[in-house]
Amino acid sequence: DAMVIQNPRYQVTQFGKPVTLSCSQTLNHNVMYWYQQKSSQAPKLLFHYYDKDFNNEADTPDNFQSRRPNTSFCFLDIRSPGLGDAAMYLCATSRDRSEQETQYFGPGTRLLVL
Amino acid sequence: AQTVTQSQPEMSVQEAETVTLSCTYDTSESDYYLFWYKQPPSRQMILVIRQEAYKQQNATENRFSVNFQKAAKSFSLKISDSQLGDAAMYFCAYRSSWGNTPLVFGKGTRLSVIA
Repeated sequence: DAMVIQNPRYQVTQFGKPVTLSCSQTLNHNVMYWYQQKSSQAPKLLFHYYDKDFNNEADTPDNFQSRRPNTSFCFLDIRSPGLGDAAMYLCATSRDRSEQETQYFGPGTRLLVL
Repeated sequence: AQTVTQSQPEMSVQEAETVTLSCTYDTSESDYYLFWYKQPPSRQMILVIRQEAYKQQNATENRFSVNFQKAAKSFSLKISDSQLGDAAMYFCAYRSSWGNTPLVFGKGTRLSVIA
């Protein structure tokens, strides 16, 4: 029944060592989002894909990249993680980008940077 | 830029009682959508309720209802007959009707339910 799946649930990486977080969906939704959520803070949108069209938020650091090889999968790549990148990373999907569309969230991947 | 403010970082409610979570927002737009999302511990965030700004009638979903005051830019969530499963972080969110804009979340309110 899982609709938005994130792997792994917990990820430990070293300072400066590239890391990739995965998201997959069974909803066949056109839009996939990546959010960063730091402790006791609101989720912050990093970027989203509308189909194959990549949309980066203006304040998302260059250190964060994303790939969407097909409708079902989307990856978040952190090229050189810093201590400040430790956070929960949430993947979400929606049928389209319309403002009233519900976003469906995955359980998140908690990233720890040592 | 739009902002969403949740002034209550934490709240608690007795089981079966009613609780209201506050949310205010700042916008110059007249057409937008407002949402309440629930994030239980170690589980994914789910939509609780949604309100279109152009609708005067307050949205309801079973035990969840909102008090939408457009002029005051207020969007509070009322949970009736609180249950232990309602314990979670609750986020208020805003989305503009203009173009491809992101959801703007408040910082959240952590709700505890006391048996």
